[in-house]
Amino acid sequence: DIQMTQSPSSLSASVGDRVTITCRASQSISRFLNWYQQKVGKAPKLLIHAASNLQSGVPSRFSGSGSGTDFTLTISSLQPEDFATYYCQQSHIAPRTFGQGTKVEI
Amino acid sequence: EVQLVESGGGLVQPGGSLRLSCAASEFTFNNYWMSWVRQAPGKGLEWVANIKQDGSEKNYVASVKGRLTVSRDNAKSSLYLQMNSLRAEDTAVYYCAREEGYCSGHDCYFYFDYWGLGTLVTVSS
Repeated sequence: DIQMTQSPSSLSASVGDRVTITCRASQSISRFLNWYQQKVGKAPKLLIHAASNLQSGVPSRFSGSGSGTDFTLTISSLQPEDFATYYCQQSHIAPRTFGQGTKVEI
Repeated sequence: EVQLVESGGGLVQPGGSLRLSCAASEFTFNNYWMSWVRQAPGKGLEWVANIKQDGSEKNYVASVKGRLTVSRDNAKSSLYLQMNSLRAEDTAVYYCAREEGYCSGHDCYFYFDYWGLGTLVTVSS
């Protein structure tokens, strides 16, 4: 199975900060990488697909980059509604594994 | 708007069985792969299984193979997860999710674009 490792596991930030979360795959996954946001008690929400494609309706302050084994999710200016846990997920081969999550808190 | 509504969760004893359902609406169900994803209390997301549009292909995470079975009824726009020989470590919220996909050249990209609200399964004596 492909292992997905996110860093950091958690981070503290303030409104307006630029936030970067990284995700590393245990083997090359080309650009088969998606990012999700999950708020407490809610279902996950798709943010980015195919490494850098912004899902419809997602604010442009979110962006994704990377290919191969190393990927990044960036929030350019953190907003109050962005405090949540973020997960990367590979769709290169089954099983479709997730990273362990990065909790963004104040 | 696309809707996915899970049901069937509850409290079950170790070794017991449960059948989860996911009712889909407002999209052409038989055009999509569908997945089950679970989340243990306070933990991260774990993909469990998926099934092809016509049910001819199924994939599972290793920890559930032989115990959990995914199926679908396209006439009813419904996804199912039959859970047998349940263990404490199966305790989780179970989400159904639609797999959107598209191909660019030789590469086909898939992602979970719609999720249900989840149903809680608790395995405990």
